[in-house]
Amino acid sequence: QVQLVESGGGVVQPGRSLRLSCAASGFPFSSYGMHWVRQAPGKGLEWVAVIWYDGSNTNYADSVKGRFTISRDNSKNMLFLQMNSLRAEDTAVYYCARDHGNLAYCGGECYRMDWGQGTLVTVSS
Amino acid sequence: DIQMTQSPSSLSASVGDRVTITCRASQSISNYLNWYQVKPGKAPKLLIYAASSLQSGVPSRFSGSGSGTDFTLTISSLQSEDFATYSCQQSYRIPLTFGGGTKVEIK
Repeated sequence: QVQLVESGGGVVQPGRSLRLSCAASGFPFSSYGMHWVRQAPGKGLEWVAVIWYDGSNTNYADSVKGRFTISRDNSKNMLFLQMNSLRAEDTAVYYCARDHGNLAYCGGECYRMDWGQGTLVTVSS
Repeated sequence: DIQMTQSPSSLSASVGDRVTITCRASQSISNYLNWYQVKPGKAPKLLIYAASSLQSGVPSRFSGSGSGTDFTLTISSLQSEDFATYSCQQSYRIPLTFGGGTKVEIK
């Protein structure tokens, strides 16, 4: 059973940094691509970033490119999101999500996700 | 980027009602369309993948259809636990994009 537990959320001032973590269990973590997705208050879901199963490739939404960095530690079954230069519009619940594929070789199963419960990030002075 | 447009943005329905939600893509995405159920404080749940395939463990009252640009999620007989927000997501290409969501409320 896929378990994803996010942590690291909180209140942070604009311009500061925050690092989110996601502890994964119940599946072979190093075999799957991983995503971060967010939902701002009263808004729809917004995809943020993705990392391949082995960490060799990453992609970002334009809204966070150059400010956020996704990474993973396969030895510890952990996913991370380093968020720098935070803005008020980054306020959201951040979800960690497991892809159904490894993203290097996709047979139609890629880019659909199983999710954690999320962690709230509030950017405010 | 591929834009996903859902309608309606909200609806009111009663237990036992048949509910239909639509999702339109700004370009053809073949059948690369997923549906999720989102409840506050809970992990979003994958319901339908590849437009019409039921995810394991999801009740059969949920079904999906469509291809190209127009897609539909149907709940054949609404249950109390189905009151939630439903979101479509294209899995055709990065950046992945979601519809704005449809909130299903109790009438």
